[in-house]
Amino acid sequence: GQNIDQPTEMTATEGAIVQINCTYQTSGFNGLFWYQQHAGEAPTFLSYNVLDGLEEKGRFSSFLSRSKGYSYLLLKELQMKDSASYLCGSGGYQKVTFGIGTKLQVIP
Amino acid sequence: NAGVTQTPKFQVLKTGQSMTLQCAQDMNHEYMSWYRQDPGMGLRLIHYSVGAGITDQGEVPNGYNVSRSTTEDFPLRLLSAAPSQTSVYFCASRKKGGAYEQYFGPGTRLTVT
Repeated sequence: GQNIDQPTEMTATEGAIVQINCTYQTSGFNGLFWYQQHAGEAPTFLSYNVLDGLEEKGRFSSFLSRSKGYSYLLLKELQMKDSASYLCGSGGYQKVTFGIGTKLQVIP
Repeated sequence: NAGVTQTPKFQVLKTGQSMTLQCAQDMNHEYMSWYRQDPGMGLRLIHYSVGAGITDQGEVPNGYNVSRSTTEDFPLRLLSAAPSQTSVYFCASRKKGGAYEQYFGPGTRLTVT
């Protein structure tokens, strides 16, 4: 599989910025997904990176370094509704495998 | 479009019983996958399919069978349920190729007693 490592839990303050890191094995790698999953719900797509660099989508940005097998998700201007798990997924051509997810708690 | 649908939403089985979890998508996606999600384990890939008639094993295939007779449907069969199969099961689909997002169904929460 695509061994994927990400922190289990993080806590951040409303209005702040938080960075969630993800490392993965580079063999068979095609692209890197980030999903958001609120408790009791299905994962929803946030971003997909296939090229090195930073991609910005509103308050969320995702970064990829293919040579280092490293990605991060950056959340700005945190809101209480951002409290969720964030799943890093490594995509091969045919299948996507995920890390355990990072549970983010946003506190007032 | 209904997207990805899964039935049932909840199910309780006794050890040794069999059942089929249903998954359907109406987006004409070639690729479909089944995951299970357990606390502390994340989403783990059970089986996946790249088209009708083609399936392959993921990380945790033991105890599960799949088939893909049509593009739309990808059922997951538990032949003899075990307590270790208590989990939340998600079906997902996406377009062929590596560059497309996966769409997830709402999940089936299965308890095996």
